[in-house]
Amino acid sequence: GQNIDQPTEMTATEGAIVQINCTYQTSGFNGLFWYQQHAGEAPTFLSYNVLDGLEEKGRFSSFLSRSKGYSYLLLKELQMKDSASYLCAVTGGSYQLTFGKGTKLSVIP
Amino acid sequence: IAGITQAPTSQILAAGRRMTLRCTQDMRHNAMYWYRQDLGLGLRLIHYSNTAGTTGKGEVPDGYSVSRANTDDFPLTLASAVPSQTSVYFCASSAGTGGGDTQYFGPGTRLTVL
Repeated sequence: GQNIDQPTEMTATEGAIVQINCTYQTSGFNGLFWYQQHAGEAPTFLSYNVLDGLEEKGRFSSFLSRSKGYSYLLLKELQMKDSASYLCAVTGGSYQLTFGKGTKLSVIP
Repeated sequence: IAGITQAPTSQILAAGRRMTLRCTQDMRHNAMYWYRQDLGLGLRLIHYSNTAGTTGKGEVPDGYSVSRANTDDFPLTLASAVPSQTSVYFCASSAGTGGGDTQYFGPGTRLTVL
């Protein structure tokens, strides 16, 4: 089976850096995705990691450690528009995507 | 390019009625998916199709059926709606079914069953 854990809510200040953690236990592993979802909208793709290490894409970075079953999403220079839910999702041995419950990030002035 | 479209945007339905949610993509993606999203439970896979003519069951398939007659369309049918099917439904598609194939989501259908 698949189990994905991430914090329910986080609050951070505009301009700051925030790290959203995700731990997973899966039957097989074929990659980890991060999606962003603004309230009332569809999830949109942020990043994909399949090898250990850090992937940087502008203000967003994603890290993966397969041996620890651990990933994080790092958001730098936070902006008000970054207030959203961030979904961690893992592709397991069946190649189906299993989502965590999401972390709701609130950015405050 | 529209990407993925879903219809209707929202619907209120009486329990026991039949309802079909429509999903169309214009990206020529092979794989398509239906998810439901409920508060506190996250996105859960209902049914999927790896290619036209084939379908499979996801985590929560009971009470739902799908068909994939062609590449572009993947309708989801509730044969006899129940209040527990009140949810936001998202359709998604991906080019392939490999571990790194990104899924792209439609705008969603908000369904309320009374």
